[in-house]
Amino acid sequence: QGQLVESGGGVVQPGRSLRLSCAASEFSFSGYAVHWVRQAPGKGLEWVAVMSYDGKYIFYIDSVKGRFTISRDNSKNMVFLEMNSLRPEDTAVYFCARDRDYHDISGGFDVWGPGTVVAVSS
Amino acid sequence: DIVMTQSPLSLAVTPGEPASISCRSSQSLLHSNGYNFLAWYLQKPGQSPQLLIYLGSNRAFGVPDRFSGSGSGTDFSLKIRRVEAEDVGVYYCMQSLQTRFTFGPGTKLDFK
Repeated sequence: QGQLVESGGGVVQPGRSLRLSCAASEFSFSGYAVHWVRQAPGKGLEWVAVMSYDGKYIFYIDSVKGRFTISRDNSKNMVFLEMNSLRPEDTAVYFCARDRDYHDISGGFDVWGPGTVVAVSS
Repeated sequence: DIVMTQSPLSLAVTPGEPASISCRSSQSLLHSNGYNFLAWYLQKPGQSPQLLIYLGSNRAFGVPDRFSGSGSGTDFSLKIRRVEAEDVGVYYCMQSLQTRFTFGPGTKLDFK
C-alpha cells in the first residue's frame, strides 16, 4: 500500500520559516500526486497544497499562497513544503497524503503519514 | 470555494446499531465524467485520517463492507450498517471537484 513519513516540524517564531519533508516508501512514488493537509489543535482537517506526480500542476489554499511552496524530488521519493512568513494561525499538525489515482488528482487520499507538529509562537 | 456541511456534528450510537451521516456541498460535485468527487474519511482518536469512500460510493481498499457511501450532486450520506467499537472517531467528507479541496467540519461518532 505504501508509507509516508513527515519530518521537519518544530516551534518557530512568527515571521520565520520552516521546511517540512515527506518521505515515501513501498510504492511507485513518481506516479502519484502528494497533498499536504493540516489540523489545528482541536480542529478539523484543512487541505493545504498538492503537487501532481510530475510537478506540472500545483495548487494551494488561498491562505498560504505566496508564503508556502510545495516541491518534490522523484529521485529521492520526497515531497517538501517550504513555509515562509509563518503566522500563529499556521500552528497545526501537518500531514502528507498520497492521492490514490495514478497520474491524476482525484482527491482520494489513501496513504497518510503520522504527521509533524508545527507551532508558531513568540 | 465549495463549502461542505455535515449533520449531525455529533452522533451517539449503540454498538451493533446502524448509523448515518449526511454531507452537503454548496455546489454540485457531479463531474461531466459521471463521477461525484466526494470522499469520506475517518480519523480515529490519536491517529491520522484514513480513506473510507472515494468518488461518492467506492469503498477504499480494506474498508469493511458495513460502510457504504451514496448520493449525487450536492447531497451525500455515509452509512454504517452495524457500528463496531473500532468505528469510533471523527468522520469527514471532502470535495475534490475543485482543486482547492475542502473538508466538512466533521461528525464525531461515539457510543451511548
